[in-house]
Amino acid sequence: GENVEQHPSTLSVQEGDSAVIKCTYSDSASNYFPWYKQELGKRPQLIIDIRSNVGEKKDQRIAVTLNKTAKHFSLHITETQPEDSAVYFCAASSGGANNLFFGTGTRLTVIP
Amino acid sequence: KAGVTQTPRYLIKTRGQQVTLSCSPISGHRSVSWYQQTPGQGLQFLFEYFSETQRNKGNFPGRFSGRQFSNSRSEMNVSTLELGDSALYLCASSLDEGGSHEQYFGPGTRLTVT
Repeated sequence: GENVEQHPSTLSVQEGDSAVIKCTYSDSASNYFPWYKQELGKRPQLIIDIRSNVGEKKDQRIAVTLNKTAKHFSLHITETQPEDSAVYFCAASSGGANNLFFGTGTRLTVIP
Repeated sequence: KAGVTQTPRYLIKTRGQQVTLSCSPISGHRSVSWYQQTPGQGLQFLFEYFSETQRNKGNFPGRFSGRQFSNSRSEMNVSTLELGDSALYLCASSLDEGGSHEQYFGPGTRLTVT
């Protein structure tokens, strides 16, 4: 089955700096890669996703890049703000399936 | 539109008992997936239901089962509870039409097994 690895497990940045979280996947059939943000005690919230026919996608301060050849994808957050502090999860699925394989999460702390 | 809802939000059970959790998807969403979240294992896929049929299944024992009703609401059942079943159980719904696979999560049911 699919195996998703995520790094780093924790990340601290100064407010206004950029944050990058990286994930790798093992199944070349995976074609859908969402990112979720989970604040303490809250549900995971979909923040951005990318499909395998696209190399990059942006939404305001958030961007995701995908390298299918290397089987890795990354989340980039620019101009970080304290409210960006949360645990971020990457995930992958294949073949139109709704079974997501999640990475182990990155705890991002933005220091004011 | 109302979001995904789950009931109950908290549950305490004893080893050996069984439990049923409920999930109501976003109106119009036909796919419901269930996940288990623990500090040690992270987020793990349990199963997915679409049009009242189980479409995908994760690597969990047969004690974990589910079903979906004609209105897309879903339930999951865990029988013969073990201490290791203590977790946050999340369901997620998806429209699953026209290539749309975005999954939206409910608030979860926190199950504690004593």
